[in-house]
Amino acid sequence: DAGVTQSPTHLIKTRGQQVTLRCSPKSGHDTVSWYQQALGQGPQFIFQYYEEEERQRGNFPDRFSGHQFPNYSSELNVNALLLGDSALYLCASSLGQINEKLFFGSGTQLSVL
Amino acid sequence: AQKVTQAQTEISVVEKEDVTLDCVYETRDTTYYLFWYKQPPSGELVFLIRRNSFDEQNEISGRYSWNFQKSTSSFNFTITASQVVDSAVYFCALSEPGRAGNMLTFGGGTRLMVKP
Repeated sequence: DAGVTQSPTHLIKTRGQQVTLRCSPKSGHDTVSWYQQALGQGPQFIFQYYEEEERQRGNFPDRFSGHQFPNYSSELNVNALLLGDSALYLCASSLGQINEKLFFGSGTQLSVL
Repeated sequence: AQKVTQAQTEISVVEKEDVTLDCVYETRDTTYYLFWYKQPPSGELVFLIRRNSFDEQNEISGRYSWNFQKSTSSFNFTITASQVVDSAVYFCALSEPGRAGNMLTFGGGTRLMVKP
């Protein structure tokens, strides 16, 4: 049973560029959430997707956008990258939206130079 | 607004010692969930426990135990007879049901180093 898979594992970009990160949820899960984890800090909620719609959003600018596909996989897009966007981006999946146990992927380490 | 505080940023113990990781939370809701996650060097967060605000019974799972005290807004985690494999960063988190989605608010984490 495959868990949550994320790609790529590492990525290096320069300021001003755009990036797309991908996530496949655990088999049977229909909800995907994205978190940003800066070095030495706890993860911060970016947004959640359920039924192909953004259901809830954290305190992140519109440069951060996402999408969920009919097969429940998801993408996180970040435009006009800033140095401060350098972080580990974690995807989490669950069955249902409300307070379910989250299963996390190993993340994508994004470095912005 | 929700807030989770893990005052201990780093703890170092010798194998077989007991260790307690502290977690203090703030919320205005009477109904909420508390979580503990473990983050090994590989990066993924591993779920350890979920506890709802109406269940203050302490829980034990093998060498792990959790002490939930609503009166002090604390949800502490104890590892008994620690092992080197317990070395990781541990996060306490809070969520509020009734809101669309299951957004977790995480603390800053405690890095636990268990030395042989």
